[in-house]
Amino acid sequence: QKEVEQNSGPLSVPEGAIASLNCTYSDRGSQSFFWYRQYSGKSPELIMSIYSNGDKEDGRFTAQLNKASQYVSLLIRDSQPSDSATYLCAGWDSSYKLIFGSGTRLLVRP
Amino acid sequence: DAGITQSPRHKVTETGTPVTLRCHQTENHRYMYWYRQDPGHGLRLIHYSYGVKDTDKGEVSDGYSVSRSKTEDFLLTLESATSSQTSVYFCAISKDPNEQFFGPGTRLTVL
Repeated sequence: QKEVEQNSGPLSVPEGAIASLNCTYSDRGSQSFFWYRQYSGKSPELIMSIYSNGDKEDGRFTAQLNKASQYVSLLIRDSQPSDSATYLCAGWDSSYKLIFGSGTRLLVRP
Repeated sequence: DAGITQSPRHKVTETGTPVTLRCHQTENHRYMYWYRQDPGHGLRLIHYSYGVKDTDKGEVSDGYSVSRSKTEDFLLTLESATSSQTSVYFCAISKDPNEQFFGPGTRLTVL
């Protein structure tokens, strides 16, 4: 069973802090990973894609991929209350189907 | 949600009735997907399409069928709805097998 695992949270951080969201995956064939943000009652919104080992930065967001450890993370710098949402990690399995984790709920306290 | 619409947005139906959900895109993307989202399970792939009339099963395809007769439309049919199919259904599209973009969702309740 190919899986993507996330801690359900909630992860609570104060405004202005760094939020660190983590994800592990079981399929060593996975090559590409994605982070989606989902506000309550809304659809998932793609915020980051990462295809190779290392870090990828986009504004306040940094995605990190470590294929040897089968670990993906998302860092959100200068967290804002508007960042409060559920963050979904997803990875391609070897048959090109996207497997989603169940999400981590992030709460940013003003 | 730009370029992707789903209809209906909400539906209540009774056990045993057929239900069809529609996904429509204006992006001319090749790939279209149907997911369901349930508490504790995240998003699970039901069926997907890699071109007109080309479809394949996902992780939770039992009880569902799909059709794609035009690039822009992908239909999901529940032949005989059951209470276990109460869920939020999302359509997604992608230009290539990479980044997927989601529609607004359909909330289906089967009584």
